[in-house]
Amino acid sequence: GAVVSQHPSWVICKSGTSVKIECRSLDFQATTMFWYRQFPKQSLMLMATSNEGSKATYEQGVEKDKFLINHASLTLSTLTVTSAHPEDSSFYICSARQGINEKLFFGSGTQLSVL
Amino acid sequence: QKEVEQNSGPLSVPEGAIASLNCTYSDRGSQSFFWYRQYSGKSPELIMFIYSNGDKEDGRFTAQLNKASQYVSLLIRDSQPSDSATYLCAVNVNQAGTALIFGKGTTLSVSS
Repeated sequence: GAVVSQHPSWVICKSGTSVKIECRSLDFQATTMFWYRQFPKQSLMLMATSNEGSKATYEQGVEKDKFLINHASLTLSTLTVTSAHPEDSSFYICSARQGINEKLFFGSGTQLSVL
Repeated sequence: QKEVEQNSGPLSVPEGAIASLNCTYSDRGSQSFFWYRQYSGKSPELIMFIYSNGDKEDGRFTAQLNKASQYVSLLIRDSQPSDSATYLCAVNVNQAGTALIFGKGTTLSVSS
């Protein structure tokens, strides 16, 4: 299957700082990437859809000024958690769809812990 | 609101048995269906996808789709302890650029 690289794998930060997470599609071009968040023992919740060259589309209840998404190229999308707080601690996972067959491949995820 | 429902489990089966995982979805416009496996602390891994009514087999895994009943299932034959994980059902309504809608997942435990 397609390879989606995500890093860092885990990050611990102080409350009030910002954290950037990178997501790259390594062997294909992804015009659309998706960012999910997963709390313990919960399912994946879609945060936003990242479109190359345009603004991201955020799901209801997700603060776009807090979760900044930049899809600078066909292989890179970044999520920046600004002024992180303990309640932002979660597992963040990016994903990308390969071509038109709609299979979704996931990055390895980033475990964020805000102290 | 589009919903995907799964029994959270845990579903416990002995090694070698068949594990049956079920999923229902609310949007009749859904066109493609996926099963992902997720180990604790890891990202989901695609196992199967199915687009048409009926069965699709891949090794020990069989996906079954019944669009009339809005039901999709995953059968795991000859279950192994390494199959112990959470299985996520996901649905796409086939609109361009849309993400998948995930169920909450079913936890499977295979005992040796």
